[in-house]
Amino acid sequence: GAGVSQSPSNKVTEKGKDVELRCDPISGHTALYWYRQSLGQGLEFLIYFQGNSAPDKSGLPSDRFSAERTGGSVSTLTIQRTQQEDSAVYLCASSGQGATDTQYFGPGTRLTVL
Amino acid sequence: AQSVTQPDIHITVSEGASLELRCNYSYGATPYLFWYVQSPGQGLQLLLKYFSGDTLVQGIKGFEAEFKRSQSSFNLRKPSVHWSDAAEYFCAVAPFGNEKLTFGTGTRLTIIP
Repeated sequence: GAGVSQSPSNKVTEKGKDVELRCDPISGHTALYWYRQSLGQGLEFLIYFQGNSAPDKSGLPSDRFSAERTGGSVSTLTIQRTQQEDSAVYLCASSGQGATDTQYFGPGTRLTVL
Repeated sequence: AQSVTQPDIHITVSEGASLELRCNYSYGATPYLFWYVQSPGQGLQLLLKYFSGDTLVQGIKGFEAEFKRSQSSFNLRKPSVHWSDAAEYFCAVAPFGNEKLTFGTGTRLTIIP
């Protein structure tokens, strides 16, 4: 079936505005991950959902960042009061629940904060 | 904490030449190891992975990687590169395949005719 999809592909916003980024994982995948790719920080983990377990939020850089996953499928990453340093490509990935499963990545959302 | 080092930021090779991209990791045990490739404007595509067993693993697009426990390395190789291999390559580690990945800083590969 289809791979991981993300929307929008590009988002330009003004400093201080809130943004929502969406991720549709591969059907049947129980795990969903958000990563951020920026020039200064490279690829870094943000948050991870596995089934009905509490999410691993250890990578979120500040309390302006949050994410939810509804119905064990679609996920939304929300950034409140955006700052210029939030400009990056936000990547979503999904995988099965097995230890040997691998993560499949979406094309990303490029966020630009003016 | 686990970490991944890719010492080469940028590598340039001629089309048809062999390639080796270096990756070293720091981890308390043998982690799950991955190589991903990212073409311009694209997401990350898995090239290959190592979980256990044979230390030489084959991947897509003619790539292979060798796990060396004694050197904490997982270097990526290709015997003959093609112009379409120009991309950025990332090495990554995780405790398990379905756990959060820690990435290296990436190696940008340029192919010259």
